[in-house]
Amino acid sequence: KNQVEQSPQSLIILEGKNCTLQCNYTVSPFSNLRWYKQDTGRGPVSLTIMTFSENTKSNGRYTATLDADTKQSSLHITASQLSDSASYICVVSGPYGNNRLAFGKGNQVVVIP
Amino acid sequence: NAGVTQTPKFRVLKTGQSMTLLCAQDMNHEYMYWYRQDPGMGLRLIHYSVGEGTTAKGEVPDGYNVSRLKKQNFLLGLESAAPSQTSVYFCASSHPSGGHREQFFGPGTRLTVL
Repeated sequence: KNQVEQSPQSLIILEGKNCTLQCNYTVSPFSNLRWYKQDTGRGPVSLTIMTFSENTKSNGRYTATLDADTKQSSLHITASQLSDSASYICVVSGPYGNNRLAFGKGNQVVVIP
Repeated sequence: NAGVTQTPKFRVLKTGQSMTLLCAQDMNHEYMYWYRQDPGMGLRLIHYSVGEGTTAKGEVPDGYNVSRLKKQNFLLGLESAAPSQTSVYFCASSHPSGGHREQFFGPGTRLTVL
């Protein structure tokens, strides 16, 4: 069973609109949660990293939230741009430490003009 | 700085052939990783290394071998390729302390085994 579940699997949004991606995890004990952006044909690039004591972190138009009690995280994209079209991957570090991460399958976002 | 680079970018193999994927990083990172990414699945760890001369198995190590002879390089070998090894392979590296060991990924190698 996948320990990191992301929803929706894919979505299409209009340029300039906001969207929110969800990540639920069962990894325990929990160390930190990361959001990566992966453009088509490229490697993932880190957006944010949060520990259990942090409940929100921003990186430009990207804002991640974390509720360690409910084991949920979200990534909010504000005023989307065409360059935001990508897969967004939720990654959790748990009992095996930062060398053994649990990856979600990703949220595929397509921004259309 | 080039960051993490991977060679080759694409490769097609026949079943039973062997090959080596090369990963190089110029960030002086101690830790390096090899992942595979398949459609509909999250990235899965194949092998990793916490320093020159050391390697460890990840989640899906069968059919692969690795070597870390130099700190900046991490090689992934397929001795006898199988169609099930058709995938996109990513290398990553991280520093052992600070930043929760943020992993920096290479651009990937797309491998097809016929």
